[in-house]
Amino acid sequence: SQQGEEDPQALSIQEGENATMNCSYKTSINNLQWYRQNSGRGLVHLILIRSNEREKHSGRLRVTLDTSKKSSSLLITASRAADTASYFCATDQAGTALIFGKGTTLSVSS
Amino acid sequence: DTEVTQTPKHLVMGMTNKKSLKCEQHMGHRAMYWYKQKAKKPPELMFVYSYEKLSINESVPSRFSPECPNSSLLNLHLHALQPEDSALYLCASSRQDYNEQFFGPGTRLTVL
Repeated sequence: SQQGEEDPQALSIQEGENATMNCSYKTSINNLQWYRQNSGRGLVHLILIRSNEREKHSGRLRVTLDTSKKSSSLLITASRAADTASYFCATDQAGTALIFGKGTTLSVSS
Repeated sequence: DTEVTQTPKHLVMGMTNKKSLKCEQHMGHRAMYWYKQKAKKPPELMFVYSYEKLSINESVPSRFSPECPNSSLLNLHLHALQPEDSALYLCASSRQDYNEQFFGPGTRLTVL
């Protein structure tokens, strides 16, 4: 069953703008992770936020987690053309597998 | 070494062929994973090995057969595949189950 659902499915912005992607999930989680995938390549782990954390930063990335709403957001500030990729949230439950959401395709044009 | 390697990068096979995909990591990770990813879809988990033992098989058809010869290697043996099995096959590893996963570049499989 699909655990994470990203919104929007596709996002097009200009270089320098901020990009925000949202993820909703259905059941309790231990942690939520965000991954990036460049076209046809392997996924790259961006950030992990635990269920008892509300916000986390890594460079130009800011992730928030609202367990009461079962949602998370990924903010990429000052986007670059190199940020063009698909972004997936992934969630786990105790004793079960990591499940990826459908992903958001981000296109950053210069 | 913080890399997961996968070979081959591309594979074309007929429905009667037998082939194997190989994955290797030298980060000391004890959990390794196989995922299948169709175009414009998220990765779907196929198998999980934890401490070299198969811990999860997500109802994958028997024409896919995983093997973990040692803590650094993970194979996926393929036999009598169908055209709908054409996809990107991704290998990943992590220190423990479901923590940050490191992915390989994938094998692009085409079944004719």
